[in-house]
Amino acid sequence: QVQLVESGGGLVKAGGSLRLSCAASGFTFRDYYVTWIRQAPGKGLEWISYISSSGGVIYYADSVKGRFTISRDNAKKSVYLQITSLRGDDTGVYYCARQIMVGGIYPDHWGRGTLVTVST
Amino acid sequence: QLVLTQSPSASASLGASVKLTCTLISGHSSNVIMWHQQQPEKGPRFLLRLNSDGSHTKGDGIPDRFSGSTSGAEHYLTISSLQSEDEADYYCQTWGTGTLIFGGGTKLTVL
Repeated sequence: QVQLVESGGGLVKAGGSLRLSCAASGFTFRDYYVTWIRQAPGKGLEWISYISSSGGVIYYADSVKGRFTISRDNAKKSVYLQITSLRGDDTGVYYCARQIMVGGIYPDHWGRGTLVTVST
Repeated sequence: QLVLTQSPSASASLGASVKLTCTLISGHSSNVIMWHQQQPEKGPRFLLRLNSDGSHTKGDGIPDRFSGSTSGAEHYLTISSLQSEDEADYYCQTWGTGTLIFGGGTKLTVL
């Protein structure tokens, strides 16, 4: 079955960096876009970035542009999110998801998330 | 700028039905809307896609109790025969150029 597993979260000081990973299985990874969405404690879902199947198309939310970098390695069936210049409002659970691009643009399978806590 | 609005909370009794609403503001009426469920302490799960012809397409393993409909700018998720595990946050979602947009979510309480 389709699975996405995030890792790499943790406690980091403001101004620091982290690299989140998303390992995929159960589908032909190289054929799909992947998206990252985060959720601050007690808040709703906020889309932050997505990457095309080849890695040639990338978008970021304005809130993370210039600080976050998304990439992928199709041979390893993984997507990465490099987060720099961390701020307190970056605290939250980060989810990766497989993204459908036909008939709409939406995540159809989500991971369980990895928690990022930024100490200020 | 696309905006989706949802009521913050809703409640209904076990075994009853509930209809959650998502309103698309400042968007195109042809925008397709998706619904996602997030049970407590879990990652979200894709429920269904509301197609432009009024039909809906469900995610893997989503029970028939979940259905969707649209009337103009209002998009609905109906859950029938409510069960305790339906107590969750429900998010509607659409997209724009290079972005995904989520509504603020509705917290559903099953009484």
